Amino acid sequence: QQPVQSPQAVILREGEDAVINCSSSKALYSVHWYRQKHGEAPVFLMILLKGGEQKGHDKISASFNEKKQQSSLYLTASQLSYSGTYFCGTERESNFGNEKLTFGTGTRLTIIP
Amino acid sequence: DAGVIQSPRHEVTEMGQEVTLRCKPISGHNSLFWYRQTMMRGLELLIYFNNNVPIDDSGMPEDRFSAKMPNASFSTLKIQPSEPRDSAVYFCASSLTPGGWSYNEQFFGPGTRLTVL
Repeated sequence: QQPVQSPQAVILREGEDAVINCSSSKALYSVHWYRQKHGEAPVFLMILLKGGEQKGHDKISASFNEKKQQSSLYLTASQLSYSGTYFCGTERESNFGNEKLTFGTGTRLTIIP
Repeated sequence: DAGVIQSPRHEVTEMGQEVTLRCKPISGHNSLFWYRQTMMRGLELLIYFNNNVPIDDSGMPEDRFSAKMPNASFSTLKIQPSEPRDSAVYFCASSLTPGGWSYNEQFFGPGTRLTVL
């Protein structure tokens, strides 16, 4: 089952902040974030593993809340280059080993000057 | 490194024809993934291989789809017979996956845009 991403789309002015959420109906082992620009392949941003860690590089960071079964991606002081569609992928836990990686439908982020 | 290489980049075929998509992963990577992307269904994992062995093919839509990885540097995804609903962008990705992990950072190829008329 796909994780649910919100919002589906957001438009920001350069310099504004954004938060993208990714929720699951089952316990998660890992969350993966990718960004895809129009007509291009997805590009890896980060992986968060079970343990509630927070990761980040430059002005993009993410958190993973095990109890809430969700992850959030934070984009601070957005730049034009941040525009694209952001996907979260989740690896859900199960009694028979983790389920396969499943991606959400994406959040389209548009940054305007 | 050249990155993940996919061919062809575009494929237009007629319903009922066989289609073969090809992928060369990054040298040294031990995991390979095939994805399908459509507007309606988003990015779907079809199958993934670890050390050339198929680990999870639960995402393969039906028997018309098959994937092989005869060696560490080559994989194919075949659709026979193709149908219009198979039209999509197909991505291949590879990663270096430590033992005990299922997934690590994946490097995607440029994709093959398939159109079935």
